[in-house]
Amino acid sequence: EVQLVESGGGLVQPGSPLKLSCAASGFTFSSNWLNWIRQAPGKGLEWVASINPDGSSTYYPDTVKGRFVVSKDNAKNTGYLQMNNLRSEDTAMYYCARFKDNNYGFAYWGQGTLVTVSS
Amino acid sequence: DTVLTQSPALAVSLGQRVTISCRASKSVSTYMHWYQQKSGQQPKLLIYSASNLESGVPSRFSGSGSGTDFTLTIDPVEADDIANYYCQQSNELLTFGSGTKLEIK
Repeated sequence: EVQLVESGGGLVQPGSPLKLSCAASGFTFSSNWLNWIRQAPGKGLEWVASINPDGSSTYYPDTVKGRFVVSKDNAKNTGYLQMNNLRSEDTAMYYCARFKDNNYGFAYWGQGTLVTVSS
Repeated sequence: DTVLTQSPALAVSLGQRVTISCRASKSVSTYMHWYQQKSGQQPKLLIYSASNLESGVPSRFSGSGSGTDFTLTIDPVEADDIANYYCQQSNELLTFGSGTKLEIK
């Protein structure tokens, strides 16, 4: 069974960094992309980062480019999202997700970890 | 960037047919996917590549479209279908629509 478990969320002050983790199991982590999607309270879904299977390529929307860094450790079956210079508008539930095989729809999601940016 | 536009809300009677639309600002071919999100839960993939039903999803759900115009159809609507529905494109990076809230009349 595919499982994705996020951790690392919490309350942080504006301008602070925070690193999220996504522990994966039940599939070959090294053969799959890792993605992060967030959802602000009461709002819609926003894709924030993707990394290819071997970690050599990363992709971000303009809203987080230059502040967020996605990485993965295939030996530990764990993905990460390093978030720097956090702003109040980064407050959201952060989900890690896996694509469906041979497709770019998000077939598997974690339960999410909540990040709150506030002074 | 490819912007996806969805109607904010739709009201439907139980047992009826409902279509939820998603319009892309540029062609995405058939690289369109649909999700259902119930309150307090993570999203669930319903339809991938415009018209393919995800495993385990009831056949009441179907998808169609290509290019810039896409629809998700639920027929017939059941009480359990009350949720937010999102489209997502994967033709040019990844973006989500703003979501459509399905309500009961």
